[in-house]
Amino acid sequence: QKEVEQNSGPLSVPEGAIASLNCTYSDRGSQSFFWYRQYSGKSPELIMFIYSNGDKEDGRFTAQLNKASQYVSLLIRDSQPSDSATYLCAVRVQGAQKLVFGQGTRLTINP
Amino acid sequence: DAGITQSPRHKVTETGTPVTLRCHQTENHRYMYWYRQDPGHGLRLIHYSYGVKDTDKGEVSDGYSVSRSKTEDFLLTLESATSSQTSVYFCAISESMRGATYEQYFGPGTRLTVT
Repeated sequence: QKEVEQNSGPLSVPEGAIASLNCTYSDRGSQSFFWYRQYSGKSPELIMFIYSNGDKEDGRFTAQLNKASQYVSLLIRDSQPSDSATYLCAVRVQGAQKLVFGQGTRLTINP
Repeated sequence: DAGITQSPRHKVTETGTPVTLRCHQTENHRYMYWYRQDPGHGLRLIHYSYGVKDTDKGEVSDGYSVSRSKTEDFLLTLESATSSQTSVYFCAISESMRGATYEQYFGPGTRLTVT
């Protein structure tokens, strides 16, 4: 079982709709969770991080964490074509100063 | 944007030759990381550093070595490049702040082709 799993997609969402991206992780001791956005040919860009159960909102983005079920999700409201990218989930496991990344979900927003 | 640069940005080299990639930061962050990114594999950690002259292996360290003689520079060396090391290489930095978040910020990447 991979440590961090994401559906590779592609996930296609119409413009203006809510895009929902999911990530599961295997280590129950994981402490911090990150979402990165990566445009084709570019480097990953940090969107949000979360470390407490519940929701964290930043503009059109909401990160949701459920440690009991070991999943973290990212919601993008009012999706725009500029949101089309690959979204990477990353997890910091307990006691480590490094992150484990999922393979990423490719998101396409259709005008 | 975090002050991270990588050099070279593109390189083509032949099998068996040594290659060194450089990561330079101006943020004075303690932690530095080298990743490779390949289709179907995502980002995989090669080596990381938690201080000057303090380094540790990641999940795909075979065939790679690193050095960090100054806070701002982290070098990745392929002792004898192989075609399987053709990849995009990213450097990242982080610092412990706001508890233990350890968010990482990435450099622009180096595209390496081994022929």
